[in-house]
Amino acid sequence: GESVGLHLPTLSVQEGDNSIINCAYSNSASDYFIWYKQESGKGPQFIIDIRSNMDKRQGQRVTVLLNKTVKHLSLQIAATQPGDSAVYFCAENRRGTDKLIFGTGTRLQVFP
Amino acid sequence: EPEVTQTPSHQVTQMGQEVILRCVPISNHLYFYWYRQILGQKVEFLVSFYNNEISEKSEIFDDQFSVERPDGSNFTLKIRSTKLEDSAMYFCASSLREGRYNEQFFGPGTRLTVL
Repeated sequence: GESVGLHLPTLSVQEGDNSIINCAYSNSASDYFIWYKQESGKGPQFIIDIRSNMDKRQGQRVTVLLNKTVKHLSLQIAATQPGDSAVYFCAENRRGTDKLIFGTGTRLQVFP
Repeated sequence: EPEVTQTPSHQVTQMGQEVILRCVPISNHLYFYWYRQILGQKVEFLVSFYNNEISEKSEIFDDQFSVERPDGSNFTLKIRSTKLEDSAMYFCASSLREGRYNEQFFGPGTRLTVL
């Protein structure tokens, strides 16, 4: 079952460094994955997605890596900026449904 | 850039009262969703809606919940008799096409506080 009142893991990085945020998913039937960014007081914002027939996908300053063998997803942010400070969620989707199943989230803090 | 809007931003209500949370999806989108996020917990799917009917709902979405698209622009979530555990952020989302492989755009959320 789910824990109540989860304390978000936090990643603190210095401005300009690269950030790596990790996510584990549990269902091997999931074949579509999305990373969302949530800033304080706002809704989740799409960053990048990847389908299970790919291992890697790159966007602007962001890269998502998918390891289906160990059910692991990561988000790499290059040259992290203060504006990247937010909570990052991975979400998964399974065939036969369009609902998103969100992970716990990781808080990214960028300091100068 | 078009965006999903939600009103109110914060709703406070007494336990047992009915609340209606309102959303205006992006104008040409056809698929609509409600999610909620209890403080400190994960974002959870509630319901998806297409062509004026529910296409999928979660276990959370029981008989106390209903959704409606009363006109061409609004999409509402009604909670008939609120409980303390309904306190959460409620997010509306919309997508142009069926959710798979198509981005769901989220609104800013409505914080519901049940006293």
